[in-house]
Amino acid sequence: RKEVEQDPGPFNVPEGATVAFNCTYSNSASQSFFWYRQDCRKEPKLLMSVYSSGNEDGRFTAQLNRASQYISLLIRDSKLSDSATYLCVVNNFNKFYFGSGTKLNVKP
Amino acid sequence: EPEVTQTPSHQVTQMGQEVILRCVPISNHLYFYWYRQILGQKVEFLVSFYNNEISEKSEIFDDQFSVERPDGSNFTLKIRSTKLEDSAMYFCASSEAQSDEQFFGPGTRLTVL
Repeated sequence: RKEVEQDPGPFNVPEGATVAFNCTYSNSASQSFFWYRQDCRKEPKLLMSVYSSGNEDGRFTAQLNRASQYISLLIRDSKLSDSATYLCVVNNFNKFYFGSGTKLNVKP
Repeated sequence: EPEVTQTPSHQVTQMGQEVILRCVPISNHLYFYWYRQILGQKVEFLVSFYNNEISEKSEIFDDQFSVERPDGSNFTLKIRSTKLEDSAMYFCASSEAQSDEQFFGPGTRLTVL
């Protein structure tokens, strides 16, 4: 079983739409969780950490459900610049495990 | 804003040659990492490094690979005898503390011919 699983997409949405991504992880002992975004042929850039209490940063909201071992990311009012691949990342004992990413295309 | 830097941005080498990829982590960070991403695939953990020694490594990080912090600023990844399948983007990352957010460098694209 993969450490981290994501729907690869692509999600094709119009500008202004709300879109949600989910991610599941296999190791219940995982300590920390993150969402990164990656543009084509660029490095992963930290979007936000994910906390059990949930956290929000502007148009982005992340949630963690430890009991079900899934993480979600909600993007409201999508912008063209949100087009990227969104990577779910799980930290197990100082090893970061990346999902394969979910591709988002925001269309005008 | 402090950032992780990597050199070179692109390295082309012949199979069997040794390569050294260089990284300068963020100055107050204590944990350093190498990852690779084969084209079209996911980012894969290679190794983590703390207090001048390897703290974790993956199955990919075999005897062909080594890491070093030769001075107070650089962090290097050496591949002793490159294979065609080593062709990938190699990312260096650093973090302030264990389990913290990691910040990635722009990567070195390694092409093995």
